[in-house]
Amino acid sequence: GAGVSQSPSNKVTEKGKDVELRCDPISGHTALYWYRQSLGQGLEFLIYFQGNSAPDKSGLPSDRFSAERTGGSVSTLTIQRTQQEDSAVYLCASSSIAVSYNEQFFGPGTRLTVL
Amino acid sequence: AQKVTQAQTEISVVEKEDVTLDCVYETRDTTYYLFWYKQPPSGELVFLIRRNSFDEQNEISGRYSWNFQKSTSSFNFTITASQVVDSAVYFCALSEASNTGKLIFGQGTTLQVKP
Repeated sequence: GAGVSQSPSNKVTEKGKDVELRCDPISGHTALYWYRQSLGQGLEFLIYFQGNSAPDKSGLPSDRFSAERTGGSVSTLTIQRTQQEDSAVYLCASSSIAVSYNEQFFGPGTRLTVL
Repeated sequence: AQKVTQAQTEISVVEKEDVTLDCVYETRDTTYYLFWYKQPPSGELVFLIRRNSFDEQNEISGRYSWNFQKSTSSFNFTITASQVVDSAVYFCALSEASNTGKLIFGQGTTLQVKP
């Protein structure tokens, strides 16, 4: 079966523009996680969804970041008014349910470069 | 506070050498889970192993073995007879039972295996 897919694989944008990053989880997985991987900060949790609701948004770095999930499937991470410090690889992962012991399956990531 | 520390930033070995990657964690939860993930040059994180806080048995899978010691809050990973294909970034991660799957990652250890 298909794994987690993310699009685009690469995104170059100018400072101040908005970007949308998309994640397609494994079919049937109800839990979806967003992480950010950057040189200075390593791998950081951003937000997770159980179904369409996001009980934990604690990792979103600012109010310029938001995410939604529709139909319990696809998720979109939106960054408004991008800044250079937003440059990173954004990783999405899914899991059958949102519990602490479950393995998460990761997508290939979207590399965001803000000029 | 939860934290995972991988003190070794980079390790370089010659093929067939054994290598141990260190991981030290901090948590106040009594129930938690520890993971190791591999990130090859392609970028996609691959799950290697999960351990729960109540199971301190060491585990061996082929050339891979893991040593979990609660007394020292460590979960170290050893590759025996390393191969060039083992070259990757390895991440140790913590998931607390009080959190629904949010992974707290260490900074990662880059392993280079030279032929």
